[in-house]
Amino acid sequence: DTGVSQNPRHKITKRGQNVTFRCDPISEHNRLYWYRQTLGQGPEFLTYFQNEAQLEKSRLLSDRFSAERPKGSFSTLEIQRTEQGDSAMYLCASNSIGTRSGRTDTQYFGPGTRLTVL
Amino acid sequence: AQSVTQLDSQVPVFEEAPVELRCNYSSSVSVYLFWYVQYPNQGLQLLLKYLSGSTLVKGINGFEAEFNKSQTSFHLRKPSVHISDTAEYFCAVSDILTTNKLIFGTGTLLAVQP
Repeated sequence: DTGVSQNPRHKITKRGQNVTFRCDPISEHNRLYWYRQTLGQGPEFLTYFQNEAQLEKSRLLSDRFSAERPKGSFSTLEIQRTEQGDSAMYLCASNSIGTRSGRTDTQYFGPGTRLTVL
Repeated sequence: AQSVTQLDSQVPVFEEAPVELRCNYSSSVSVYLFWYVQYPNQGLQLLLKYLSGSTLVKGINGFEAEFNKSQTSFHLRKPSVHISDTAEYFCAVSDILTTNKLIFGTGTLLAVQP
């Protein structure tokens, strides 16, 4: 169990550019979540997957944002035409619900990707 | 829908003193409750959680919390803090039926002074 990993840890980009972040969950976990945390605030839910299916998306996830989890393992979060308001820490978390390994209500978080849009 | 209120944005305390970080929640359904800690430039680490059973929950690093259903509270306590406890603390809820997204409070910065 190596924990949840996220890459890159930091990303600086210019307004209007596209960026993509990757999250690798704990290997046996079937659920994967994305959150966004701005300065001085708690994390806010963006979306989550069970295996490869995206089951819920927040209204915060505008049409410039897209997330995928093609094989039910790692996930990517892409932001197109970045805006300064997208600057935030993007957090990924994972857990297990309804699998043979049981139910893990606790979400385990990765270290986050800090995005700065200039 | 659920919401979480952490009224104290910052709590200064001297080393070895006791501390309580307050958390109140609102929900029309039964919820699970969590406290996470975040050190600078890091992700969130689970301190403790309440799913069911005893309302007094013990977690890591000497922290504990008590679930009070009538007051819809889940306050975090530690009898004696250390400098190393300086961090941001987040209270969160998720509903029991779906247990998908976590709803977080705005956080409380615990600032331990020597």
